[in-house]
Order: sequence, then structure tokens, then C-alpha cells
Amino acid sequence: DTGVSQDPRHKITKRGQNVTFRCDPISEHNRLYWYRQTLGQGPEFLTYFQNEAQLEKSRLLSDRFSAERPKGSFSTLEIQRTEQGDSAMYLCASSRLDRGDYEQYFGPGTRLTVT
Amino acid sequence: GQQVMQIPQYQHVQEGEDFTTYCNSSTTLSNIQWYKQRPGGHPVFLIQLVKSGEVKKQKRLTFQFGEAKKNSSLHITATQTTDVGTYFCAGERGSTLGRLYFGRGTQLTVWP
Repeated sequence: DTGVSQDPRHKITKRGQNVTFRCDPISEHNRLYWYRQTLGQGPEFLTYFQNEAQLEKSRLLSDRFSAERPKGSFSTLEIQRTEQGDSAMYLCASSRLDRGDYEQYFGPGTRLTVT
Repeated sequence: GQQVMQIPQYQHVQEGEDFTTYCNSSTTLSNIQWYKQRPGGHPVFLIQLVKSGEVKKQKRLTFQFGEAKKNSSLHITATQTTDVGTYFCAGERGSTLGRLYFGRGTQLTVWP
């Protein structure tokens, strides 16, 4: 399967702990996106990369959140000092814009539960 | 805050009935995309509309983009149980290309 993969699929952590999620996009895709989705809501944009450059970051994203895509391939999303309000599904998506293909391919997500 | 509004939030129909969901943005969009998310799944791309007044069809699904590029709709004719899921519109603005603003989604339930 050459789709977008995310790891782990589920994470339970205690409040105050740090967590890191990984996303592996489709190999030829140059854009990678992170979203957060809570029950009954649409995906909420967090940030996106074009190759290794982080082009935009949501103002809703506090400084506890950081994302990297060091070699323009996989990406990591880290949440420091987790809070209960961080509990959500974290979705990664990728696309290949240089072919005029705007379709975003989503991964299965990482479900975070902060206790 | 919510950049793209979508209604209704829920829709329950009997198999064979039609279904429509509406999407509205307060600002002009450069394009709008539609995604479907099955229960327990992730969003899957359906279509993208770019031109003012554009209408696209995919079998029983008809997608429209408003003349002012601020609203869009998805209409499903003769729903089937396989249509069950949440349908999201997602708009992209010219000032923030690459960033999608998702609506809250319309959750469709189809009774057999």
C-alpha cells in the first residue's frame, strides 16, 4: 500500500507529557499537511509543508505544538505538555501540487487521548 | 472561527430519496473541494471545483460552485446505503493557497 501512513494509530498519555506523531506521505508528494479533528467537526488546519519548508502555521496552534519535515519526506508533529483539550484525531495528508493536482490524500490518523 | 459554514449538520433519508448539502463562505474562494468520510474512516477526496458557476457530475452526485465563488452544493440522487458518511466541503482562499478551510460536515444516514 503506497498511501499515507501515520504512526502510532492510537496514543494515550497523561496530562503534561510530551507526544510525537509521525506521518509518511505518498512518496512523490511534495506537500504535507497536518489537521486536527474532533467529534462532529471538520478537519482543522494546523500547518503544512512544501518539501522541507513549513509554509504556514495556524494561529490556533499554540507554541506547545511543533512540526518538522527535515528531509522533505516524512514529518513529525510534537505536542509538549499535553492538555486534555489536545485530545483529538490528528490527521496527516499529502498532495502533489506541481501537477496541478489539488487532491489531498489523508492518512488513517493518530487518535490522541490525554487523561 | 468557522470560515466555511455547512448545512444541515445531519440528514436522515430513506433509501431512494435525494440528499443535498450546502456550503457557504464569507469570502470568495479560489476553489472548493468535497470530501467524504465514512464512519471510523478518514476523509476521501471526491471532487474539486474551480470555475465560477461550475457544475460537475459523478454518477448520482452533482456538485455546483456558485457564481460568486462563495457557495457550493452537493446533491445525491436516489441515495443508497453505500452513501452513508459525512460529507465535507473545503474551500481554499487565494490569500492562503494550500490551506483548506473545512466545513463542519453533513452526516448522512440512509435507511434501507
